[in-house]
Amino acid sequence: DAGITQSPRHKVTETGTPVTLRCHQTENHRYMYWYRQDPGHGLRLIHYSYGVKDTDKGEVSDGYSVSRSKTEDFLLTLESATSSQTSVYFCAISESQGRQYFGPGTRLTVT
Amino acid sequence: QKEVEQNSGPLSVPEGAIASLNCTYSDRGSQSFFWYRQYSGKSPELIMSIYSNGDKEDGRFTAQLNKASQYVSLLIRDSQPSDSATYLCAVIPGGGADGLTFGKGTHLIIQP
Repeated sequence: DAGITQSPRHKVTETGTPVTLRCHQTENHRYMYWYRQDPGHGLRLIHYSYGVKDTDKGEVSDGYSVSRSKTEDFLLTLESATSSQTSVYFCAISESQGRQYFGPGTRLTVT
Repeated sequence: QKEVEQNSGPLSVPEGAIASLNCTYSDRGSQSFFWYRQYSGKSPELIMSIYSNGDKEDGRFTAQLNKASQYVSLLIRDSQPSDSATYLCAVIPGGGADGLTFGKGTHLIIQP
């Protein structure tokens, strides 16, 4: 298995609170991605990173920000969580713009 | 809008038969194509990648790509109950670094 961990694995939070999800890799891969998965929508790209401090927006980036200060860590922040951000969040890594390997996921519930 | 379409299923196949999963994509500039398997409550697992027209075989799995028809398929031979899962088709759109665009997946059930 690719060395990817996500924390926390489960979180329940209230509307309006900030939330940060962490993705950590031990593979030294250049590319890292955040996706969300929702019934009826499938997996959708939120943000991605192509190097330390290099990030860009994906399809559903509104309400989310990211940071990557080290190769191994990619953080996803919900500045003010809303119920529409209740989802399962997956981090993925890739050595090049090709095969992506997914972490175990974080189930986030915003009440 | 770059789209990837899959039949949601469920697709029911008897054990030992060939399961055939199909996917179409809208972006003619796409160059890289992937199949992921996802068990309920788990993360997607990469099972096949294909980059050029034709067939690519790996064990019981065969991926087929037809860029002219914008069509990707996955064949699973000698289907086993453990193959029961949702299969996700994913594409890297033309223009590069935007991550994967996924279909919504096909739910496959292998009947013992």
